Amino acid sequence: AQSVAQPEDQVNVAEGNPLTVKCTYSVSGNPYLFWYVQYPNRGLQFLLKYITGDNLVKGSYGFEAEFNKSQTSFHLKKPSALVSDSALYFCAVRALWANNLFFGTGTRLTVIP
Amino acid sequence: SAVISQKPSRDICQRGTSLTIQCQVDSQVTMMFWYRQQPGQSLTLIATANQGSEATYESGFVIDKFPISRPNLTFSTLTVSNMSPEDSSIYLCSVVTGGRRETQYFGPGTRLLVL
Repeated sequence: AQSVAQPEDQVNVAEGNPLTVKCTYSVSGNPYLFWYVQYPNRGLQFLLKYITGDNLVKGSYGFEAEFNKSQTSFHLKKPSALVSDSALYFCAVRALWANNLFFGTGTRLTVIP
Repeated sequence: SAVISQKPSRDICQRGTSLTIQCQVDSQVTMMFWYRQQPGQSLTLIATANQGSEATYESGFVIDKFPISRPNLTFSTLTVSNMSPEDSSIYLCSVVTGGRRETQYFGPGTRLLVL
């Protein structure tokens, strides 16, 4: 079975401060891990992924995420938040044997000017 | 990556009617998926549509309610049949690309409101 937990429904951060959006997962075997962002009235945009290799992966718009196998986490981070980063963020997991993604419930990020 | 378009982008429909959503991809892909995102909710997989075979539906979704066509490697349709207000959602088409089917990309979605 696959599952993803995003423990925070809402994250608020001041512009210029670092941001973290948390994600933990459960999957049998090695996971593929993803972050997507959804802006208002828009579809999902792919941000970054972890497949294998370096635990720190870098993605679009200055975002990065760190894969931590022992903690089964894949938190999304950015060193300096922008107001334009305000959106809904989804973490997703796919087991190697699966064909499709399983999504978390989403975290709404608000960057305060 | 893949560029995915959906039609219509949004619609308002009456209870009991049906709506067909189209999904067009700019490259040939083997696997296409249809998701539903209910208001304020996460994404739920409806079905997987592979060209040349019948769609595979997830638990809670049936072909009579959500018939899917996949006539070729760049196109698919999802029909929402006999609609009720509970069907009001965003419906998203998605494809996987990459040598190991690594990355899944999404269309812009179809916003459906059923009155």
